[in-house]
Amino acid sequence: AQSVTQLGSHVSVSEGALVLLRCNYSSSVPPYLFWYVQYPNQGLQLLLKYTTGATLVKGINGFEAEFKKSETSFHLTKPSAHMSDAAEYFCAVTGGGADGLTFGKGTHLIIQP
Amino acid sequence: DTGVSQNPRHKITKRGQNVTFRCDPISEHNRLYWYRQTLGQGPEFLTYFQNEAQLEKSRLLSDRFSAERPKGSFSTLEIQRTEQGDSAMYLCASSFGQGSYGYTFGSGTRLTVV
Repeated sequence: AQSVTQLGSHVSVSEGALVLLRCNYSSSVPPYLFWYVQYPNQGLQLLLKYTTGATLVKGINGFEAEFKKSETSFHLTKPSAHMSDAAEYFCAVTGGGADGLTFGKGTHLIIQP
Repeated sequence: DTGVSQNPRHKITKRGQNVTFRCDPISEHNRLYWYRQTLGQGPEFLTYFQNEAQLEKSRLLSDRFSAERPKGSFSTLEIQRTEQGDSAMYLCASSFGQGSYGYTFGSGTRLTVV
């Protein structure tokens, strides 16, 4: 079984500042980890994923995340926030089996001008 | 590749009515998933198909919920005797294999039960 904890239901940063969204996971098997972004009344768009190999993964729109097995973490970062980054962000985990993706509760990212 | 398509985008129904939603996955994807998302929460897994076989349905919320994927292509999710608590966004996703290539989501169907 898998679970995801996203620390902070709301995160507010200034435009141009570093974005850090935290995600910790639990998995009984080697995990596949994902970050998705959701804009109002839309589906989820994949930002990036970790399956195997390099632990630092780069995604779209300048986001990246690092898989740290020892810390069971997969935090999402972006060096410089843009107004268009304001959205809901979800971390998700799967073991690749029939249970699909298990999502965290999401973090609402607010960008201050 | 036109992505995952869901219809309708919005559905308003009266309590007690039956509703059916459709999902057309990416044609190369053999796995199809249904999720429910309520306000302020992450998506919640409901059921999963590999080709036409429904391999996991124990997480469907009640026996009022059912899903089909008759020819291993599109899928339908039906809710019978809708209740106000069924109001939510219903999301469909598809993937190839075990998901290492990622899961592609549709735009969802927003259900409002009045």
